[in-house]
Amino acid sequence: SYELTQPPSVSVSPGQTARITCSGDALAKKYAYWYQQKSGQAPVLVIYEDSKRPSEIPERFSGSSSGTLATLTISGAQVEDEADYYCYSTDSSGTHWVFGGGTKLTVL
Amino acid sequence: QVQLVESGGGVVQPGRSLRLSCAASGFTFSNFSIHWVRQAPGKGLEWVAVISYDGNNKYYADSVKGRFTISRDNSKNTLYLQMNSLRAEDTAMYYCANGAYWGQGTLVTVSS
Repeated sequence: SYELTQPPSVSVSPGQTARITCSGDALAKKYAYWYQQKSGQAPVLVIYEDSKRPSEIPERFSGSSSGTLATLTISGAQVEDEADYYCYSTDSSGTHWVFGGGTKLTVL
Repeated sequence: QVQLVESGGGVVQPGRSLRLSCAASGFTFSNFSIHWVRQAPGKGLEWVAVISYDGNNKYYADSVKGRFTISRDNSKNTLYLQMNSLRAEDTAMYYCANGAYWGQGTLVTVSS
């Protein structure tokens, strides 16, 4: 079955840039979506269609995709950005969706 | 504002059935595909199923195919998940989501 691969953890100091990657064969042709999930809360969409940001999401969040790798970048990460981040996409058929394993972002 | 409200969770014995509902408001429900996603305690997100805007296309994760059925009633702005032959590993918080918006989830516990 199709898989998306993320690093289990990323750690940065406040104000630094955090980059979280997501690797999957079908990402070359399918969009990536990124969700932020804070402890005990439902996920929140932070990036859709590789690089689009919902209006309510701070500008420090950005997304990009090249080949089979999608990247979520948080420029000037803040303590309140500490959360689990998940990438989300479909397999090549477009019928089965899958989440990456999640990346725990620590900002301290 | 957009709201998705799940209900129907609870404690159920292995092998039994449960039906979850997701009531939508604040957007044109009939225009959107809707997903069910679950999260086992302390684990990551797992996609469960998706249904097209008109209900004609339905797709399932291998882990639930043949046991779970997704459906919708656009006249009631409601999504459903019929879960049969439940297993301990189905224990999770179940969310409905239209991509951008998620409900708060309903907890399903499968235990004897």
